[in-house]
Amino acid sequence: QVQLVQSGAEVKKPGASVKVSCKASGYTFTGYYMHWVRQAPGQGLEWMGRINPNSGGTNYAQKFQGRVTMTRDTSISTAYMELSRLRSDDTAVYYCAREAIGYDYWGQGTLVTVSS
Amino acid sequence: SYVLTQPPSVSVAPGKTARITCGGNNIGSKSVHWYQQKPGQAPVLVIYYDSDRPSGIPERFSGSNSGNTATLTISRVEAGDEADYYCQVWDSSSDHCYVFGTGTKVTVL
Repeated sequence: QVQLVQSGAEVKKPGASVKVSCKASGYTFTGYYMHWVRQAPGQGLEWMGRINPNSGGTNYAQKFQGRVTMTRDTSISTAYMELSRLRSDDTAVYYCAREAIGYDYWGQGTLVTVSS
Repeated sequence: SYVLTQPPSVSVAPGKTARITCGGNNIGSKSVHWYQQKPGQAPVLVIYYDSDRPSGIPERFSGSNSGNTATLTISRVEAGDEADYYCQVWDSSSDHCYVFGTGTKVTVL
């Protein structure tokens, strides 16, 4: 069965970076785009970007350009999302999601807390 | 960037019909997906390509899209349908950008 398992919660100081992982299993990792979506406490869903695991090509939301980097390691079927220069308003749950038709599978979410 | 507007909340009695709108400029020309999110859980896809249902989603969930409004309809609403609902489109004019709607809280009275 398809599973996306994300890394655990993180606490970071303002100005630091965070790298969240998303390990895929149960399907061909390189066959589907992987997206990253975040949700601040009590807020809606926000698209951050996507990566083509086959080519490594990426598309980022304009809001995150220059601060976000999405990568993958096909040898271990894992996608990564790194966000730099963290601010308090980056506190959110970060999800990875597989794109088939829409997002048919999601990770469990990773809470990133940015606090001094 | 492309903006999708949803009503913040919709209230509905059990057994009745809930309609959740998603407004966007000429959204009828785009494909719309809908997600249901319950507290503390990841979202779940309930409608894709405007009106198709993934396997396992009840027939009570349906969708339509025309002009400047897409609509998610939940018929014979049950208590378990209480959740946040989000629409989503791919905006090809914004460098392959995906956009979510503002979200609608459905409350079952």
